[in-house]
Amino acid sequence: EVQLVESGGALIQPGGSLRLSCAASGYTFSSYAMMWVRQAPGKGLEWVSGIIDRSGSAVYADSVKGRFTMSGDNSKGTLYLQMNSLRVEDTAVYYCVKRFCSGGCYTDVWGKGTTVTVSS
Amino acid sequence: DIQLTQSPSFLSASVGDRVTIICRASQGISSYLAWYQQKPGKAPKLLIYAASTLQGGVPSRFSGSGSGTEFTLTIISLQPEDFATYYCQQVDSYPITFGQGTRLEIK
Repeated sequence: EVQLVESGGALIQPGGSLRLSCAASGYTFSSYAMMWVRQAPGKGLEWVSGIIDRSGSAVYADSVKGRFTMSGDNSKGTLYLQMNSLRVEDTAVYYCVKRFCSGGCYTDVWGKGTTVTVSS
Repeated sequence: DIQLTQSPSFLSASVGDRVTIICRASQGISSYLAWYQQKPGKAPKLLIYAASTLQGGVPSRFSGSGSGTEFTLTIISLQPEDFATYYCQQVDSYPITFGQGTRLEIK
């Protein structure tokens, strides 16, 4: 069974840093692109970042560009999201998502999410 | 950025009804559109991708259509477990964007 398990969410003060992890299992991690999506309390879904090619190049939403860095460790089957200079508006559930490509590249497996709360 | 606008934002329906949700894109996205269902406290679930392809394991009462800038998600014969929030998503270009969501509630 394909599974994604996020961890690392916490309550943190504005300006702080946090690293989220996503452990993948049940498939060959290196064969599929991944992305992060977040959802603020009571709000809709917001794409955060995604790896766009086999070299590991990542793209980011403007709202996190320059502050967040996405990376992966194929040997561990783990995806990371390093979040720096956190803001109150970064408060959300962060989902790790596996992509598949059929024409376009869609998302078929989501983790249960990890909660990041940025507050003083 | 490509904006996706869903209508309606809120929908009240009864078990057994047929409902349609519309997603309009601010520019053409071919068929690069997916639909998701989300229940409270849960992660979204992929229902349809490539505008009209049903994801494996999704009941056939769900269907999608459209291309370019207008897309629809139709649910025929609503079941109690279908009451949830539905989102469309475009994957034509970065940044990937989602519609604002349509909350489907029991009448």
